[in-house]
Amino acid sequence: AQTVTQSQPEMSVQEAETVTLSCTYDTSENNYYLFWYKQPPSRQMILVIRQEAYKQQNATENRFSVNFQKAAKSFSLKISDSQLGDTAMYFCAFMKQWQGGSEKLVFGKGTKLTVNP
Amino acid sequence: NAGVTQTPKFRILKIGQSMTLQCTQDMNHNYMYWYRQDPGMGLKLIYYSVGAGITDKGEVPNGYNVSRSTTEDFPLRLELAAPSQTSVYFCASSLGQGVEHEQFFGPGTRLTVL
Repeated sequence: AQTVTQSQPEMSVQEAETVTLSCTYDTSENNYYLFWYKQPPSRQMILVIRQEAYKQQNATENRFSVNFQKAAKSFSLKISDSQLGDTAMYFCAFMKQWQGGSEKLVFGKGTKLTVNP
Repeated sequence: NAGVTQTPKFRILKIGQSMTLQCTQDMNHNYMYWYRQDPGMGLKLIYYSVGAGITDKGEVPNGYNVSRSTTEDFPLRLELAAPSQTSVYFCASSLGQGVEHEQFFGPGTRLTVL
């Protein structure tokens, strides 16, 4: 079974600075996908960024980027120029490549990020 | 589009009571999911559906039932509520499976069983 570990329960960062959230996972699969979801106080789950394991290039979405290290099974999220609106819980998630079955998202426990003014 | 809507937003149940959590999506998505989120934890899959009339168990299905009579609706039923079912419940939907088919989440239902 796949597991996702987020070792930082809470983090804080000053506005406009950069912060990196860690995520490691355990799987025997070779083809899979990784995601970072944001959950602000409103509780809405929002997809931030995704990465296909077969792609060597790290995904980026505006101020959000990942450092994907497949051999180390590591998938960290970097937030640049942090904004107050980035304050939220961040969840790392894993999904096997679809093989016509019932692939599911497996979530980590989350990291609570607070951006301070 | 309203996206994924859930009702109610909050509910308090007594032990042994039953209730149905409603979920509706207006995006014509084939796949729908129910997750629960316990305090300090990530989401865990309860049940999912790949289309009308087809449902299957996820990681934590005990104590719950689902049905999918239409593409739009995917209600979650709790028959005999227990304190262990105190959680926040999220419904989600996606057009298909795979990374290109993002799961869209509803706003959640906070359920307390006393």
